[in-house]
Amino acid sequence: EPEVTQTPSHQVTQMGQEVILRCVPISNHLYFYWYRQILGQKVEFLVSFYNNEISEKSEIFDDQFSVERPDGSNFTLKIRSTKLEDSAMYFCASKDRGNSPLHFGNGTRLTVT
Amino acid sequence: AQKITQTQPGMFVQEKEAVTLDCTYDTSDQSYGLFWYKQPSSGEMIFLIYQGSYDEQNATEGRYSLNFQKARKSANLVISASQLGDSAMYFCAMRGPKSGYALNFGKGTSLLVTP
Repeated sequence: EPEVTQTPSHQVTQMGQEVILRCVPISNHLYFYWYRQILGQKVEFLVSFYNNEISEKSEIFDDQFSVERPDGSNFTLKIRSTKLEDSAMYFCASKDRGNSPLHFGNGTRLTVT
Repeated sequence: AQKITQTQPGMFVQEKEAVTLDCTYDTSDQSYGLFWYKQPSSGEMIFLIYQGSYDEQNATEGRYSLNFQKARKSANLVISASQLGDSAMYFCAMRGPKSGYALNFGKGTSLLVTP
């Protein structure tokens, strides 16, 4: 069964550094998402991307965050200058059209020191 | 704005018993979708079941069923014949009609299945 792939599984970075989290969504999916989950807390929506542009974003997704789909397969989340509070599990997800569910990757655990 | 509420932070159930995980929601949208996801200790998010706001029948997927009561704005997950492997966090989520189809999640319920 096709799946969403995220790399790396764990990334450690120093405060103030830029990080790029990478995702390969399911190939025929149309909608792409980033979510984050701070340890022990709920899964929070960051951004959705459709037709090569952001379709929705949350208050968390401020100017420090950006997303890109540089080619036909990858979907990236960039954090320009990481803060300690950015430490979380970041999930990429994709979906087909209509009422289909979101399919999540296994996540990237980001630790900012 | 949408709101998802899961009032049970933790639940215990004995193996082979059924368990109900509660989820209530609040929305002014007429068209919406309700989802349940399972998150085992390994961390991945696994889709379990979906209910559309216009669906007249309660959704079922194997041992999972969704008790959808639209007037009460509740969408409880029922797991029948619990198995040890069902021990996990369970998240209720809602999709609104906005173009991005993003899901908003509740805080989750931790389920522990005991032998």
